[in-house]
Amino acid sequence: NAGVMQNPRHLVRRRGQEARLRCSPMKGHSHVYWYRQLPEEGLKFMVYLQKENIIDESGMPKERFSAEFPKEGPSILRIQQVVRGDSAAYFCASSRGNRDNEQFFGPGTRLTVL
Amino acid sequence: GESVGLHLPTLSVQEGDNSIINCAYSNSASDYFIWYKQESGKGPQFIIDIRSNMDKRQGQRVTVLLNKTVKHLSLQIAATQPGDSAVYFCAETPSGYALNFGKGTSLLVTP
Repeated sequence: NAGVMQNPRHLVRRRGQEARLRCSPMKGHSHVYWYRQLPEEGLKFMVYLQKENIIDESGMPKERFSAEFPKEGPSILRIQQVVRGDSAAYFCASSRGNRDNEQFFGPGTRLTVL
Repeated sequence: GESVGLHLPTLSVQEGDNSIINCAYSNSASDYFIWYKQESGKGPQFIIDIRSNMDKRQGQRVTVLLNKTVKHLSLQIAATQPGDSAVYFCAETPSGYALNFGKGTSLLVTP
């Protein structure tokens, strides 16, 4: 049973470009969470999605950031017009249920904005 | 705002010794707590969890203690091994799903 898959593992973008981060949850998991981790800090919650629904996006910046989890295919975290401050590791996690269910994390995408 | 914090940023122990990593939380609404281990370049890995109706839970070589009175959480690792070297995060879930992570404690196991 494959774990949570994320790609790309490393992404380099210039300021103003768009970044697309993909996450495929574990088989049987329909709940996806995105977190951001700055160097030497803990992970910060960004958004929680179920298939075709955004449940909670309270941790996601209102501008330039969006997330989706379509009926078919991976979850996408999209960052438009990236700035240097967007450089971070972005982790996706998935769970079988929602409340207090163990979240399994992917290996992360390390975004570097030049 | 309310947050999760860790007492010590780094901890160095000798192989074979026991390790104790501490965490303070301030959100009284949290009823579920988890410890994660993160190795360099990898995603967090679940270690052990505990619900607020318990004060102790044991796993393989790990024990989590929860003191709700002082809002304190600790992770004990018995007979620490070099493979235990990593950053350890405690997390709480005041919303029931979003994990609220602390900053992490770096554990270094020396031979």
